[in-house]
Amino acid sequence: SSELTQDPAVSVALGQTVRITCQGDGLRSYFASWYQQRPGQAPILVLYGRNDRPSGIPGRFSGSSSGDTASLTITGAQAADEAEYYCCSRDSIGNRWLFGGGTKLTVL
Amino acid sequence: QLQLQESGPRLVKPSETLSLTCTVSDGSISRSTYLWAWVRQSPGKGLEWIGNIYNTGITYYNPSLRSRVSILTDTAKNQFSLKLTSLTAADTALYYCARHEILGATDGLDMWGQGTMVTVSS
Repeated sequence: SSELTQDPAVSVALGQTVRITCQGDGLRSYFASWYQQRPGQAPILVLYGRNDRPSGIPGRFSGSSSGDTASLTITGAQAADEAEYYCCSRDSIGNRWLFGGGTKLTVL
Repeated sequence: QLQLQESGPRLVKPSETLSLTCTVSDGSISRSTYLWAWVRQSPGKGLEWIGNIYNTGITYYNPSLRSRVSILTDTAKNQFSLKLTSLTAADTALYYCARHEILGATDGLDMWGQGTMVTVSS
C-alpha cells in the first residue's frame, strides 16, 4: 500500500498515556515524522527519526517503530496536547512522501 | 531563527495557474541536507504533500499532481516557488512551505511558514 493509515480519533484522560499509531509499507524502510497541529495553526514537528525530538518539544513525547507501524506516545498527556497529529514518511520506493490522514487527540 | 513566508494570490480562477513564492530568511536554502517543500491542506481536511526540491534542482512530486506541478529555487533571492496549473475548485487549500531536513532514513519538516489560503473560484 502507498498510504499511511491513522486512527481518526483517540482520547486520553488528563495525565494518562496515549499511543497514536501510523501504518504503512514505507515504514519498514523509513522512519516516520510526527506533526502536531492545533486549530488555526501551522503544523509543528514533534518527533522524527528513531525517537528524536526537536528543541523545545517536551520529553513526554516519544516514538517507536516495529515492522510497518510507527507510534507516537504521549506520557502524561496535558490539555495543551489536544490537537490533530499527523505522521509522515516516504513510500516504500522512497521517492515521494505521504501524510497519514491524521488523528484527532482529545484530552479529557 | 530561520523563517519562511509564503506569498502569492489569494484568489485564482479555474483553469488558471497558481504561482506561490516562499521567502526564506535568516538561513540559506543552499545547504545540502535540506529539501524545500510545499504542503497543502484543503478546508477541514488533512495535510497533503505536494513536492520538494533540493538546492541542486532535483525535485520530487506527488504523483497525483505531477502533471500540473513544478517547484523551483532561486538561490540568489533565497526563495523557492510553486507553480500549479489547470486549477480546479479541488485545489482550494491552505498552502504551506516548509524546510525538510533529510539525514539518511530520517527526515522531518522542521520549519513551516504560516500558510497562505488560496481559493479557486470564478
